[in-house]
Amino acid sequence: AQSVSQHNHHVILSEAASLELGCNYSYGGTVNLFWYVQYPGQHLQLLLKYFSGDPLVKGIKGFEAEFIKSKFSFNLRKPSVQWSDTAEYFCAVLTNAGKSTFGDGTTLTVKP
Amino acid sequence: EAGVAQSPRYKIIEKRQSVAFWCNPISGHATLYWYQQILGQGPKLLIQFQNNGVVDDSQLPKDRFSAERLKGVDSTLKIQPAKLEDSAVYLCASSFNGGASTDTQYFGPGTRLTVL
Repeated sequence: AQSVSQHNHHVILSEAASLELGCNYSYGGTVNLFWYVQYPGQHLQLLLKYFSGDPLVKGIKGFEAEFIKSKFSFNLRKPSVQWSDTAEYFCAVLTNAGKSTFGDGTTLTVKP
Repeated sequence: EAGVAQSPRYKIIEKRQSVAFWCNPISGHATLYWYQQILGQGPKLLIQFQNNGVVDDSQLPKDRFSAERLKGVDSTLKIQPAKLEDSAVYLCASSFNGGASTDTQYFGPGTRLTVL
């Protein structure tokens, strides 16, 4: 069975700092990878996704993620965070069999 | 475009009672998912429907949980009887065609269940 590991449970940054959230997965087959975000009081929503092609994926609000197949990783990055990026971030894997698994999430707090 | 609707938003029950949650997916979405999200954890897939058929229910505790999706649109998730450990947020999501693994899931607001 596949699993998703998000190493950082809670990250605190100051505005303008750079962000990198780790995500590693375990699955031997083809996967599609997602980052979802949940802003305070809002629904889970898609930030970005990778399914093929360029392993560097750009999403909304200046976020990007890089798929490194050899490391089974899909880390999320943003060069300069804003206070409005305060949220919970979830990495998710979808196998080619359609099975969905989420990580336990990383809470990001950005101090103004 | 209307999003995924869920009701109720909050529910408090005593242990051993029954509870039901309702989900209306985005119009035209063939795939519907129910997730359980316990505080401090990520969403855990309970059951996945493709139209009105079950694709995956391997993590559904079938002795107490049941779900149906009549006519391939709305869905209900039921817990009978509830246990303390069922306290969680129950999320419903839908996607256009879950058979395509590139599909994006759209989530509803969730139902927060507290079992006392």
